[in-house]
Amino acid sequence: DQQVKQNSPSLSVQEGRISILNCDYTNSMFDYFLWYKKYPAEGPTFLISISSIKDKNEDGRFTVFLNKSAKHLSLHIVPSQPGDSAVYFCAASTSGTYKYIFGTGTRLKVLA
Amino acid sequence: GAGVSQSPSNKVTEKGKDVELRCDPISGHTALYWYRQSLGQGLEFLIYFQGNSAPDKSGLPSDRFSAERTGGSVSTLTIQRTQQEDSAVYLCASSIRGLRGVPYEQYFGPGTRLTVT
Repeated sequence: DQQVKQNSPSLSVQEGRISILNCDYTNSMFDYFLWYKKYPAEGPTFLISISSIKDKNEDGRFTVFLNKSAKHLSLHIVPSQPGDSAVYFCAASTSGTYKYIFGTGTRLKVLA
Repeated sequence: GAGVSQSPSNKVTEKGKDVELRCDPISGHTALYWYRQSLGQGLEFLIYFQGNSAPDKSGLPSDRFSAERTGGSVSTLTIQRTQQEDSAVYLCASSIRGLRGVPYEQYFGPGTRLTVT
């Protein structure tokens, strides 16, 4: 049973427009969520996180929204740039534990 | 400062052989993780080390897999009698451990691509 799901394997967006990447989870014990970006032949790099006490966290062009009642989070990238083209993973964890459960990733392609 | 490093970057081995994958975490990071990413899949948790505590091996797929972490730093993941289904990218990550177990972001190495022929 996959506890963290990214149902869109790929997404294409025009440069300058908004990219919205979605993630759903099933475990209500998760209270900390992270987004990672991965380029080919590199390890994932941390992008942004959000705690369940918030519903929004913003860092420059990146904003993560958390809807606890829907067990859904999304990553917004505005404006999208060609360098944002990568695979994006969401991950979830529970305070007091150390395990991170990752989704299967969404491949974002930003078209110039 | 140096990030997480892994070696080798690529490893091709024959079915049935043993392989060792190495991870050098960021200095001062007490937590170390191994993950596996098979083609088209997410990151599959394998094992977790935290300081001097006993590791959590609950993600290891079979007893052919083992890992150790010497001196709280370098870690080695060993796969014995490799099978073709072991082919994947093996990723190592390290992190600090927050107060009261608050999760902190992990820093990943570039991975080792293992191909079993």
